[in-house]
Amino acid sequence: AQKVTQAQTEISVVEKEDVTLDCVYETRDTTYYLFWYKQPPSGELVFLIRRNSFDEQNEISGRYSWNFQKSTSSFNFTITASQVVDSAVYFCALSDYQAGTALIFGKGTTLSVSS
Amino acid sequence: GAVVSQHPSWVICKSGTSVKIECRSLDFQATTMFWYRQFPKQSLMLMATSNEGSKATYEQGVEKDKFLINHASLTLSTLTVTSAHPEDSSFYICSAWSSSEPQHFGDGTRLSIL
Repeated sequence: AQKVTQAQTEISVVEKEDVTLDCVYETRDTTYYLFWYKQPPSGELVFLIRRNSFDEQNEISGRYSWNFQKSTSSFNFTITASQVVDSAVYFCALSDYQAGTALIFGKGTTLSVSS
Repeated sequence: GAVVSQHPSWVICKSGTSVKIECRSLDFQATTMFWYRQFPKQSLMLMATSNEGSKATYEQGVEKDKFLINHASLTLSTLTVTSAHPEDSSFYICSAWSSSEPQHFGDGTRLSIL
């Protein structure tokens, strides 16, 4: 069975601190996709990244970076120099590599950034 | 880019009312649409998978007679919550997929049953 674990329920940081959100996944598939989404208080899901299981290169996009470690089944997300606007719930998700399959979401991590 | 539109954004209605939520893919044809439900402070859970022209596939524990899904065209899927009760109050969100597009999510519908 597929499963996504986000062990950190809530994280509070002060602006400009770096913060890492952990994500550990379980799957028997050798090929799959991993995702991160941001959900602000308004509720919509904001797509942040999709990574396929073939590509273990770390990715950086502005203040965001992702560390994919297949050996530990982890796909961690780091926000550098956090800002108040980063406050939201962040979800890690997993899907089959087969096209058109649903996402399995972790329980989410609530990030609160204070000024 | 491709967008999924979900309507309405908010619904407040009395217990016993049936509520219809629409999910539209605006500039691509969606072979498959998914419906998720999110209770407060919880994760998104898949309710059902909707394929155009065929019956929806429901996840275990989701009542198909209560949550009616219709995917009559490649750009529209609807979720009808029949005879809604307060325990059906939740955030419902759809996503749409086609072979040429990654999965896109709608902005969700907050349903409050009084």
